Amino acid sequence: AQSVSQHNHHVILSEAASLELGCNYSYGGTVNLFWYVQYPGQHLQLLLKYFSGDPLVKGIKGFEAEFIKSKFSFNLRKPSVQWSDTAEYFCAVNARGNEKLTFGTGTRLTIIP
Amino acid sequence: NAGVTQTPKFQVLKTGQSMTLQCAQDMNHNSMYWYRQDPGMGLRLIYYSASEGTTDKGEVPNGYNVSRLNKREFSLRLESAAPSQTSVYFCASRPGQFNEKLFFGSGTQLSVL
Repeated sequence: AQSVSQHNHHVILSEAASLELGCNYSYGGTVNLFWYVQYPGQHLQLLLKYFSGDPLVKGIKGFEAEFIKSKFSFNLRKPSVQWSDTAEYFCAVNARGNEKLTFGTGTRLTIIP
Repeated sequence: NAGVTQTPKFQVLKTGQSMTLQCAQDMNHNSMYWYRQDPGMGLRLIYYSASEGTTDKGEVPNGYNVSRLNKREFSLRLESAAPSQTSVYFCASRPGQFNEKLFFGSGTQLSVL
């Protein structure tokens, strides 16, 4: 069965710092990977997704993620964070051809002005 | 275009009571999902439906039943509510292509006393 691990539960950074949030999945076959963000009091929004091609994926708001198949990882990065990036971030995976979409436990990001 | 509509937004139950959470989407999506969100545990998949007439268990199906009434509607039923089912419940849908993003409802905050 597929699963997702996000080991950083709460990350606190100052504005302009660089960000990397970890995401590892377990599944032996081909997967599709997603990062979602949930701002306080709002729905989850899609930041970016990977399904094939270039393993470096660029998303909205300056976020990017790199798929490293050998490490079963899909880490989220941003070179310079802003206060408005304060939110909870969720990694998600589904096996290719399967509609079951599994989320990680989330990482709460707090940006200090 | 309403998107994904969930009702009710808030509900308080006593242990042992039953209720049904309603979800409807007007985007002609094939796949629909029920998740619960708990602090520190992320989104956990309860049930999903890849197409009208089919439903499958997710990670935490115990204590719940679902019904995909038609392509638009996907309801979640708690037959005998327990305090452990206190949570925020989200319905979501997507076209059915495995690499498409989810559209979320606004959530139902359920408390079981």
